[in-house]
Amino acid sequence: GAVVSQHPSRVICKSGTSVKIECRSLDFQATTMFWYRQFPKKSLMLMATSNEGSKATYEQGVEKDKFLINHASLTLSTLTVTSAHPEDSSFYICSARVPGQLGTDTQYFGPGTRLTVL
Amino acid sequence: DAKTTQPNSMESNEEEPVHLPCNHSTISGTDYIHWYRQLPSQGPEYVIHGLTSNVNNRMASLAIAEDRKSSTLILHRATLRDAAVYYCILPSSRWTGANNLFFGTGTRLTVIP
Repeated sequence: GAVVSQHPSRVICKSGTSVKIECRSLDFQATTMFWYRQFPKKSLMLMATSNEGSKATYEQGVEKDKFLINHASLTLSTLTVTSAHPEDSSFYICSARVPGQLGTDTQYFGPGTRLTVL
Repeated sequence: DAKTTQPNSMESNEEEPVHLPCNHSTISGTDYIHWYRQLPSQGPEYVIHGLTSNVNNRMASLAIAEDRKSSTLILHRATLRDAAVYYCILPSSRWTGANNLFFGTGTRLTVIP
């Protein structure tokens, strides 16, 4: 199956700093990638949809100036958490879409990045 | 977005079949039924999807009720590695053109050795 990687797998940073997370599709081109956040013992929450070469589409309640998304190539999307605070500590997961007929396209997920903000 | 309902948790003995139910009574005629699972501390993994007919792949089988208001994911022989949270999702088609996945709480499957 399609492989998606994320880097780093874990990051610890100080409050007020910015952190960049990379998401790469390794063996396919992904015009659309997605970013999710997952708090402990909770389900995944879709943060934004990232389309190559255009601005990301953010879900309601997600601050676009806080979570900067760039999808500059067909194999790379980045999420930058700006001025991180402890409440931003979470498990961040990306996915890449493998298109199919409407309703049938599947997503392949990265292994996740655990962010801890001190 | 059509909603799905799943039991919070289920248990199965190792090497026995597991039937994971999902109700989606508000499903529309064009909604596909997707299943993903998430192993501990990992990103989710695609399992299977279907529309009307039952579907089989190397991981599982998907049985879809005739009225499509419910479906069952079948693991034919549970192993310890199948312990995960299983999500039944009806992807939402947005103006972005891609199908968005909105994860519910899923079913946490415990496999007992």
